[in-house]
Amino acid sequence: DADVTQTPRNRITKTGKRIMLECSQTKGHDRMYWYRQDPGLGLRLIYYSFDVKDINKGEISDGYSVSRQAQAKFSLSLESAIPNQTALYFCATSGGARDIQYFGAGTRLSVL
Amino acid sequence: DQQVKQNSPSLSVQEGRISILNCDYTNSMFDYFLWYKKYPAEGPTFLISISSIKDKNEDGRFTVFLNKSAKHLSLHIVPSQPGDSAVYFCAASDDSNYQLIWGAGTKLIIKP
Repeated sequence: DADVTQTPRNRITKTGKRIMLECSQTKGHDRMYWYRQDPGLGLRLIYYSFDVKDINKGEISDGYSVSRQAQAKFSLSLESAIPNQTALYFCATSGGARDIQYFGAGTRLSVL
Repeated sequence: DQQVKQNSPSLSVQEGRISILNCDYTNSMFDYFLWYKKYPAEGPTFLISISSIKDKNEDGRFTVFLNKSAKHLSLHIVPSQPGDSAVYFCAASDDSNYQLIWGAGTKLIIKP
C-alpha cells in the first residue's frame, strides 16, 4: 500500500463546482503539503501544514482552501472551480523542515 | 520570475553513457538543493541532495555538483540505464522557511 494516498486520481468537473481532493498518509509525519504542477512549470506550493493546528498559505493559495482533519489527513478544496485550475495536484509529507518530502501519485484535475 | 531554472526541457542519452542534467538558481540565500525523479502517473521521488557547505555529493551512480559562485548545480548519472528515463526536478530551499522552490523539470530519455 502507498504511504501517501491521493483520491481521486482523476477528476473532471465544471466551472463553478466545489470539489475536494483528499490526501492521507501512513508515514506518521507531521508536515503535509499541497502542490500543483502545470506544463512547463515546476511544482508550486498551495498550502502547507506543520501539524493539525498549523495551516499556512503557500505561493499560490488564492482560490483554494485546506483542512487538516487529523495528522494523517489533509484535504484541498476548490470552492468554485475555474478552468485555470486545471492541473496536476500533488500531496506530500515530511517529518521535519529539511527532511525528504514523500509524494502521492497525484490527482489530475480538469475544469471545463 | 523563476528562482530555479532547468533550461533543458529534454535530454536524450545513449545507454551506458553519462547523463548530465543542469539547474541554475538566482537566490543566493538558497542553501539546500535536491533532485527528484518522476515517472509518468507517479509522484516525484527523492534522489539526492546537497548542502551549500559541500560542492559534491555522491550516491552510487548519481553525483550532484554544486558551484555556488555560478549558482549552478548539476546531476551526473553514470552509467545511464533504461530505468533512468524519467523527468528530473531540481529544487532548492533556504533556512528562512524551508519551502522548496522547484525547477520545471528535464525529461531524460535513455536510448538503447
